[in-house]
Amino acid sequence: DAKTTQPPSMDCAEGRAANLPCNHSTISGNEYVYWYRQIHSQGPQYIIHGLKNNETNEMASLIITEDRKSSTLILPHATLRDTAVYYCIVIDFGNEKLTFGTGTRLTIIP
Amino acid sequence: GAGVSQSPRYKVTKRGQDVALRCDPISGHVSLYWYRQALGQGPEFLTYFNYEAQQDKSGLPNDRFSAERPEGSISTLTIQRTEQRDSAMYRCASSLVAGSNYEQYFGPGTRLTVT
Repeated sequence: DAKTTQPPSMDCAEGRAANLPCNHSTISGNEYVYWYRQIHSQGPQYIIHGLKNNETNEMASLIITEDRKSSTLILPHATLRDTAVYYCIVIDFGNEKLTFGTGTRLTIIP
Repeated sequence: GAGVSQSPRYKVTKRGQDVALRCDPISGHVSLYWYRQALGQGPEFLTYFNYEAQQDKSGLPNDRFSAERPEGSISTLTIQRTEQRDSAMYRCASSLVAGSNYEQYFGPGTRLTVT
């Protein structure tokens, strides 16, 4: 599976959009981009995933560049409850296991 | 509906003892995964099942670790002759079907401490 690179930490003001980048320059055509987050000591929580098109759900939007070498997770109106570690994971079609890196620790500032 | 449950939530054991960690996946979920998470790190894959069949155990650290899912539902991760380095959070996840287009739902984890 392709490796991912994320900034170790980010801050965002409450109510503003949080934009979390992820670099996956070695991604191949069959690999999906997944985002999970982990709030404090809870289990990881699925946020969103995509293959090549941009995706949106009730939690977030995922923007994948045309060459698929990077993506951005957007939380449109960040709240204090969005403070968490966010993991960008690239997973091959047909592969089952998630390979978590160190993620980005997002802190929402009141 | 009920999510993934794990028991016990906390387990303290002495070095050399065996422990069994239980995972109860979401009803009807085909795939079940075990991960281990050290403090300050992301979860690390251990093994996974589709139904009762163990599909991949490449992440099990050594032969002291084993897992089973005999009836395709509840799973048990067993660690024999525990060592202090086995101390970690052990997390279970399940997904509706096998495949990379389906999200995994994680349980609350079992915090194992080996003294």
